[in-house]
Amino acid sequence: GENVEQHPSTLSVQEGDSAVIKCTYSDSASNYFPWYKQELGKGPQLIIDIRSNVGEKKDQRIAVTLNKTAKHFSLHITETQPEDSAVYFCAASMGGGFKTIFGAGTRLFVKA
Amino acid sequence: DTGVSQDPRHKITKRGQNVTFRCDPISEHNRLYWYRQTLGQGPEFLTYFQNEAQLEKSRLLSDRFSAERPKGSFSTLEIQRTEQGDSAMYLCASSSPRGQGHEQFFGPGTRLTVL
Repeated sequence: GENVEQHPSTLSVQEGDSAVIKCTYSDSASNYFPWYKQELGKGPQLIIDIRSNVGEKKDQRIAVTLNKTAKHFSLHITETQPEDSAVYFCAASMGGGFKTIFGAGTRLFVKA
Repeated sequence: DTGVSQDPRHKITKRGQNVTFRCDPISEHNRLYWYRQTLGQGPEFLTYFQNEAQLEKSRLLSDRFSAERPKGSFSTLEIQRTEQGDSAMYLCASSSPRGQGHEQFFGPGTRLTVL
């Protein structure tokens, strides 16, 4: 079955710096890759997603890249702010996205 | 608030008791998902409904777990004879049939503690 590995598990950056989180997946049939942000006491919230027919997608300070050959995808956050501090999850799914497999998460700390 | 809602938000029970959680998806979302999340881990897929039909179940969903979505709207997740290992956050999500139907909207979760 699908397996998603996420690195690093913890990331600490200074406000204004960039943060990069990397994930790999195992099932080449996966074609949808969402990223979620989870704050304490809340459910995960989708922040950006990418489909396998696209190599890169950007939304303001957030960008995601996908390398299907290497089965890698990454989240890039530029100009980090303290409110970006949270746990970030990558995920992968195939077909209609019915069964989504999540990575273990990255706890991001942005120091003011 | 028109997001996904879950009830209760917290549940403390003794080992061996039965518990039931409820999820109300975003209206008109025909797909509903249940996940379990333990501390420091990502959500783990448990089961998925399209309308009232339960289309997929994870191996994580033992015989003590049962989920229903009788009218294709709200869903319940019941755990019988709870064990301490069932302590976790139980998350519900829903998605729309529009577009490619990929984006899942999560509720706040029900935190279960089994003593």
